[in-house]
Amino acid sequence: QSVLTQPPSVSGAPGQRVTISCTGSSSNIGAGYDVHWYQQLPGTAPKLLIFDPSNRPSGVPDRFSGSKSGTSASLAITGLQADDEADYYCQSYDSSLSGPVFGGGTKVTVL
Amino acid sequence: EVQLVEFGGGLVQPGGSLRLSCSASGFTFSTYAMHWVRQAPGKGLECVSAISSNGGKTYYADSVKGRFTISRDNSKNTLYLQMSSLRPEDTALFYCLKGSSPYYYSYMDVWGKGTTVTVSS
Repeated sequence: QSVLTQPPSVSGAPGQRVTISCTGSSSNIGAGYDVHWYQQLPGTAPKLLIFDPSNRPSGVPDRFSGSKSGTSASLAITGLQADDEADYYCQSYDSSLSGPVFGGGTKVTVL
Repeated sequence: EVQLVEFGGGLVQPGGSLRLSCSASGFTFSTYAMHWVRQAPGKGLECVSAISSNGGKTYYADSVKGRFTISRDNSKNTLYLQMSSLRPEDTALFYCLKGSSPYYYSYMDVWGKGTTVTVSS
C-alpha cells in the first residue's frame, strides 16, 4: 500500500485531456511538501516530468502540467498523444516516515 | 553530461549479501543528496534509501531497515548500497538517483539505467 494514492489506470483518445490524481495526507502533501511527477515509458528508466509541483524540466512539452491543493495533487496531460502511453508516478516527502515516498503509479492508455 | 552508472547487481541466494555502486559524473557530486529506488518486476517505485550530500543524514524504508546500508564517497563520486540478509522480495531493478538539493526532501532529477538484483536459490 503506497503512502500516496493514484488510480491504477486512466485512458483517453488522442487529443483529449486526462488527469491523474495523487492523494496524500497531512504528513506529506498536506504538510506543504512539494509533489513531483515522473514518466516511465515502456522498458525505460523513469524520468522527471514535473517538479515543485508545476514546473517542467527543459524539453518537457507544456501539454503536461501539475497542480496541488490541500492533501492532493494532479497531473494533467492535454492533447493526448500515442507516445504519452506510459506509467506516471507522483512523489513527495513524508515527515512521519522521514523520507521520500512514491505513489503506486498510473498507467495511461491512449485509445 | 550528467550521468549515473550502477554496478554490482546479480544473482544471490536468500540470506546473502551484495554491494551496489553508483558512479556519478558531470556534476558536483558532493553537493547533492542521492537515492536508491527499486522497482520489482511489474511493480511500482520504492525509495529504499537516501543520503544527504555530506552523508550526515540517511533514510531507509521500513522494508530494508537494519539490512541495507547506504554510504557515499564524495572523493570518488560514488554512492553505495550494502545489502545483507537478502530476501526473494528484494528482487528488483535498483536505480541510483541524483537529488536536486543537499537533503532528500525534494525531487530526483537524474536517474541511472539501473542494475538488477535477483534473490533466488
